[in-house]
Amino acid sequence: EPEVTQTPSHQVTQMGQEVILRCVPISNHLYFYWYRQILGQKVEFLVSFYNNEISEKSEIFDDQFSVERPDGSNFTLKIRSTKLEDSAMYFCASSTDRSGYTFGSGTRLTVV
Amino acid sequence: AQSVTQPDIHITVSEGASLELRCNYSYGATPYLFWYVQSPGQGLQLLLKYFSGDTLVQGIKGFEAEFKRSQSSFNLRKPSVHWSDAAEYFCAVALSGGYNKLIFGAGTRLAVHP
Repeated sequence: EPEVTQTPSHQVTQMGQEVILRCVPISNHLYFYWYRQILGQKVEFLVSFYNNEISEKSEIFDDQFSVERPDGSNFTLKIRSTKLEDSAMYFCASSTDRSGYTFGSGTRLTVV
Repeated sequence: AQSVTQPDIHITVSEGASLELRCNYSYGATPYLFWYVQSPGQGLQLLLKYFSGDTLVQGIKGFEAEFKRSQSSFNLRKPSVHWSDAAEYFCAVALSGGYNKLIFGAGTRLAVHP
């Protein structure tokens, strides 16, 4: 069964550093998303992406965040200057109109 | 505002017992409905989804869910729980059309006693 692949599985970074989280969505999916889950809390929507542009973003997704689809397969989330409160599990997801949403296994980001 | 409520934060059942996890949503129209399961430190696995049609939906691992429009509910059920079902379960909704964001409930943590 097709999968959404995320790398790395775990990243530790120092506060103030930039991080890039990578995702390879399912190849025939058209819509891409980033979600995050702070430890012990619910999954929160960050941003959706379609046709090479952001279609919706949450209030969490401020100027420190950006997304990009640099080629035909990768979908990245960049955090420019990480803060302690950015520590969370970040999930990438992709979908088509009727497929439902397939999630990757996540990247655990730890900011120290 | 759109919201998803899972009233039970934590449920404990005995192995072999039946299970029902509750989910209520608040949306202007009938949304797409999903249940996901998450084992500790793992990703989100889709158990089942409802888009339209038959209101009783069968999923993986022996789970089913019933959409009740009048109650704005989408409760997850399993007739006989296995110890391996211990995990966190999330109900999620999206406006119809697979490009809309998912809104998650807070989750229900299921513990299974032998």
